[in-house]
Amino acid sequence: SQTIHQWPATLVQPVGSPLSLECTVEGTSNPNLYWYRQAAGRGLQLLFYSVGIGQISSEVPQNLSASRPQDRQFILSSKKLLLSDSGFYLCAWSDRVGWDEQFFGPGTRLTVL
Amino acid sequence: AQKVTQAQTEISVVEKEDVTLDCVYETRDTTYYLFWYKQPPSGELVFLIRRNSFDEQNEISGRYSWNFQKSTSSFNFTITASQVVDSAVYFCALSEASTNAGKSTFGDGTTLTVKP
Repeated sequence: SQTIHQWPATLVQPVGSPLSLECTVEGTSNPNLYWYRQAAGRGLQLLFYSVGIGQISSEVPQNLSASRPQDRQFILSSKKLLLSDSGFYLCAWSDRVGWDEQFFGPGTRLTVL
Repeated sequence: AQKVTQAQTEISVVEKEDVTLDCVYETRDTTYYLFWYKQPPSGELVFLIRRNSFDEQNEISGRYSWNFQKSTSSFNFTITASQVVDSAVYFCALSEASTNAGKSTFGDGTTLTVKP
C-alpha cells in the first residue's frame, strides 16, 4: 500500500531563517506530487506541483521554492522566511495517469515569529 | 478558468440531524472530475469520493450520499444521521481534463460541527 510521509510535524522559525520541508512517498512510482499551504481557517492554496524528477511548476510567485531530487521525494524550501509564510503545509500525491484523487500527508505546521 | 464555491463557511448541527454541504463549480471543459475530501482536526485530508463529468448517477456510501447535477453545476454532499465524529472541514475540488498534472482547484471548505 502507498504511504506518504512529511517532516517535521511542527516547526517554529524566526523571520529571515531558511526552511526545508520534506515529503516522501512509498509504494508507488512516477507519482504527481503537490505542495499546498493552508492558512488558518482558509482553503488550500496550491504552491507547486511536479510530474517528474527535476520538473517543478510554480502556481504562486513567492519566496518559496521546490525541488524533486528523486522520484518519490519532494522538498519545499525557502532562503529567508517571512511572517506570511506561517501556515499548514500539506504534501500530496496522485497517480501519474488520469485525474485520480490526491492522497495527502499529515502536514507540517509552520509558525514564523 | 475553473472555480469551486462552497458558500457555507460553517454549519452546526445536533447529532442525528441530516446535513447537506453545498458545492458549486465552474468549468469550460466538458470532461472534468469532482472530489470531496474530509479534514478532521488532526489536519490530514482524507479522500471521500471522485466523480467524472459523464457520470451523473448519485452515490450512497453508508450515511454519506452525493448529488451531482450538471444542469446546476452542483455536487452536494449529504450526511444522514450525523455523528460527532463527522465534525471536520469538508472540501470540494475540481480537476479539468485539460489541466496539466491532474491539478485540482479546491473550494474554501465548510466547517461542520456536530454537537452531542
